[in-house]
Amino acid sequence: GQSLEQPSEVTAVEGAIVQINCTYQTSGFYGLSWYQQHDGGAPTFLSYNALDGLEETGRFSSFLSRSDSYGYLLLQELQMKDSASYFCAVRTLYNNNDMRFGAGTRLTVKP
Amino acid sequence: NAGVTQTPKFQVLKTGQSMTLQCAQDMNHNSMYWYRQDPGMGLRLIYYSASEGTTDKGEVPNGYNVSRLNKREFSLRLESAAPSQTSVYFCASVISGGNEQFFGPGTRLTVL
Repeated sequence: GQSLEQPSEVTAVEGAIVQINCTYQTSGFYGLSWYQQHDGGAPTFLSYNALDGLEETGRFSSFLSRSDSYGYLLLQELQMKDSASYFCAVRTLYNNNDMRFGAGTRLTVKP
Repeated sequence: NAGVTQTPKFQVLKTGQSMTLQCAQDMNHNSMYWYRQDPGMGLRLIYYSASEGTTDKGEVPNGYNVSRLNKREFSLRLESAAPSQTSVYFCASVISGGNEQFFGPGTRLTVL
């Protein structure tokens, strides 16, 4: 089966840096995605990693270590609008249409 | 471009009633998905359609049926609603070979 673990809640202050970790167990790993979801809204895509290393997109970066079955999302220069839930999700080689999501990490940014 | 649209936005059903949730995308995407999201949880895949004319079960298909009407539209049907199906339902689509799923605004369904 597949499982993903991420912290349920993280709190940080405006301007700070926060890291949201995700560990996964899956057979035939294909890639790790990150999505952001504001309360009452739809998930929106942030990043995707298929290979080891860091992907940077503006204030957000995502890292993957396939050997450790681990990834993280790094948010820099936090803003109040970054308060949201963040989900990691894995796709597998056997069926890359079947995406499994973690339970989500609720980030609260305080002034 | 409207992206992914879903109707209705809200729905209240009584146990045993049936209904169809509609989803359409105008991005010419091949693959479409139906997820449910329960409070404090991530999204769980119900069904997906990798291309027009094909559908496959996801993680939690029991109690649901789907139809890929054409390339644009993918509907989800509850034949006999149960309180356990109270949830927020999201439709999503992705271009063939792509990594970014585009989500609709969701349908908030309550089954009494």
